[in-house]
Amino acid sequence: GAVVSQHPSWVICKSGTSVKIECRSLDFQATTMFWYRQFPKQSLMLMATSNEGSKATYEQGVEKDKFLINHASLTLSTLTVTSAHPEDSSFYICSAVTATGYSETQYFGPGTRLLVL
Amino acid sequence: GENVEQHPSTLSVQEGDSAVIKCTYSDSASNYFPWYKQELGKRPQLIIDIRSNVGEKKDQRIAVTLNKTAKHFSLHITETQPEDSAVYFCAAGGSNSGYALNFGKGTSLLVTP
Repeated sequence: GAVVSQHPSWVICKSGTSVKIECRSLDFQATTMFWYRQFPKQSLMLMATSNEGSKATYEQGVEKDKFLINHASLTLSTLTVTSAHPEDSSFYICSAVTATGYSETQYFGPGTRLLVL
Repeated sequence: GENVEQHPSTLSVQEGDSAVIKCTYSDSASNYFPWYKQELGKRPQLIIDIRSNVGEKKDQRIAVTLNKTAKHFSLHITETQPEDSAVYFCAAGGSNSGYALNFGKGTSLLVTP
C-alpha cells in the first residue's frame, strides 16, 4: 500500500519554542493531507485539512495561528506548532489521500510524539 | 458536522469467540466507513472499509455491515486471536466531506487465551 512518512518521530522541546513536523507521501501524490491529534487513550481528532497550493481548513476550536500548516507540494505538508506549551503535548498524526483514481483510503503516517516541558 | 458514536468502549473475549463493535453516524452525506486497528504507540492501520453502495463486506475473519437507513455500521471479528488485541476505531466521511474522517472514540479489545 501507499507509504506516508513523518519526521521527526518524537520531539521534546521547551515551552515557548516552535516545532515543525513534516508529513510526506513517499510513493504517491497527495492532493489532500490531514492532520490529527491524539491524546493518551483518546481518539484521533481532526485538526485541519491541508490541500496543495491553498490555505488549510481548520476544524472548530483549532487555532490557525498556533498550528501553521503549509502544503507546498503534492508530497509534503508541514505542521508547525508555534510557541508550544505543555498542553500541546500530544501524538500528532498526518494522513494522505491518493490523488489518482477514485480512492478515499487514507494512509496514515507513523505519528510524531511531542512533549513540551 | 458528522458525529460518530462507538460502542462498547472496552470488550473482552476469549480466544476463538467473536467480537462485535458497533458505530452510528449522524451525517447522511457520509459515504465511506473505514475501520482502523491501532496498537499502542503506533499509527492506525486500515483493516477493512465499506462504501455506502454496499451493505456488507468480508475479508477472511473480518466483516463489516452497513445499514444506511439506520446510519449504523458494525465490525465483526470471528475466531479471535490474542494478536487481535488492540484499539479499534470506526470512522465516517468520504468524498462528500472532502475525504475528512470523523472517528469514534475507540474500542479496546482484549482477547484472552
